[in-house]
Amino acid sequence: EEQLVESGGGLVQTGGSLRLSCVASGFTFSSYWMTWVRQAPGKGLEWVANIKQGGSEKYYVDSVKGRFTISRDNPKNSLYLQMSSLRAEDSAVYYCARQVGTYYYAMDVWGQGTTVTVSS
Amino acid sequence: DIQMTQSPPSLAASVGDRVTITCRASQSISTSLNWYQQKPGKAPKLLIYAASSLQSGVPSRFSGSRSGTDFTLTISSLQPEDFATYYCQQSYSTPPLTFGPGTKVH
Repeated sequence: EEQLVESGGGLVQTGGSLRLSCVASGFTFSSYWMTWVRQAPGKGLEWVANIKQGGSEKYYVDSVKGRFTISRDNPKNSLYLQMSSLRAEDSAVYYCARQVGTYYYAMDVWGQGTTVTVSS
Repeated sequence: DIQMTQSPPSLAASVGDRVTITCRASQSISTSLNWYQQKPGKAPKLLIYAASSLQSGVPSRFSGSRSGTDFTLTISSLQPEDFATYYCQQSYSTPPLTFGPGTKVH
């Protein structure tokens, strides 16, 4: 079964840092782009960042550029999101997802999510 | 950035109803449009990719279509398990990958 499991969420103070992890199983992790998507409480989905198979290309939503870093460790089947200078508006459930497609770029496998709460 | 709008924001429906949700892009995105279903407390689920292709394992009562910059998700006969929030997502101009604001079917 293709599966993604996130961890690392928690309560952090404004300005603090947190590292999210996502472990993949059941598929060849190194063959896929991977993505982080977040959802603030009661709000819609927001794409955060994605990373190419080998890690050579990384893209971010403007609101996290310079503060978040996406990375991956293919031998460990793991995806990461290093978050720093956290703000209240970063509070959300963070999902990792597998990205597929050549032009339609859909997310077809999702983790269960990990909750980040930023509070002063 | 390409903006996505959805209508209606919410809709009331009954089991057996035909349900139609519309997503509009602020500019042409060809067929680079996907649809997701999300139930409370759960991760989103991919339903339709490339505007009209049914994701494996998704019931055939779900379908997608395109007319210019307007995209439609149709549920031919609403089932109890279909009450959820539906999101469209464009991937034509990326980054960012942009989601619509969602439509809650209740």
